[in-house]
Amino acid sequence: QVQLEESGPGLVKPSETLSLSCSVSGGSISGHYWSWIRQPPGKGLEWIGYIFFVGNANYNPSLRSRVTLSVDTSRNTFSLNLTSVTAADSAIYYCARGRGHFDQWGQGTLVTVSS
Amino acid sequence: DIVMAQSPDSLAVSLGERATIHCKSSQSLLYTSNNKNYLAWYQQKPGQPPKLLIYWASTRESGVPDRFSGSGSETDFTLTISSLQAEDVAVYYCQRYDSSPFTFGPGTRVEIK
Repeated sequence: QVQLEESGPGLVKPSETLSLSCSVSGGSISGHYWSWIRQPPGKGLEWIGYIFFVGNANYNPSLRSRVTLSVDTSRNTFSLNLTSVTAADSAIYYCARGRGHFDQWGQGTLVTVSS
Repeated sequence: DIVMAQSPDSLAVSLGERATIHCKSSQSLLYTSNNKNYLAWYQQKPGQPPKLLIYWASTRESGVPDRFSGSGSETDFTLTISSLQAEDVAVYYCQRYDSSPFTFGPGTRVEIK
């Protein structure tokens, strides 16, 4: 059973860059698509983007100018960078497997944007 | 963007009774090339990530109890819990994945009456 675990700072200052990583265990990152999805506390889900293990990525147009996904097959991890954050970017960030429907999810990590 | 709507916003159902959740897309999610509807359903319990229940509108994910079923096509879809159990209390989301950006419905909260 593949397991995913998000890691990164829980607090980011406004205008700075949010950086998170997702570690994949119990299976290889190769051969799959991997996604990031976020959820403001008490609200709905927003797909951020996906990346293929060879590095091809697709982003939500609403975030495209600020988002970069990357993958490191040697460490079996993939990462999210979101620049110029504001309070509206405060959310639980989930990593997940898949590019359409998402069959494995991490537990999520809460990121708060505040000075 | 394609908009996903769900109804009702919440519902309370007695244990053992049927729960029905509706999802409507502003555009058809049916690809005639492969006759597949690009629609998934998720269950999210408090403090947990969403869990995939159904994909291709009606294919149950491995390990999901058979009391959960999905139906519908094109723009109108339904998730049915045939006999509600206490552990089914959760928020349920539909999600389209026909094209980017993939979007989720606003969710339906299911409670015990």
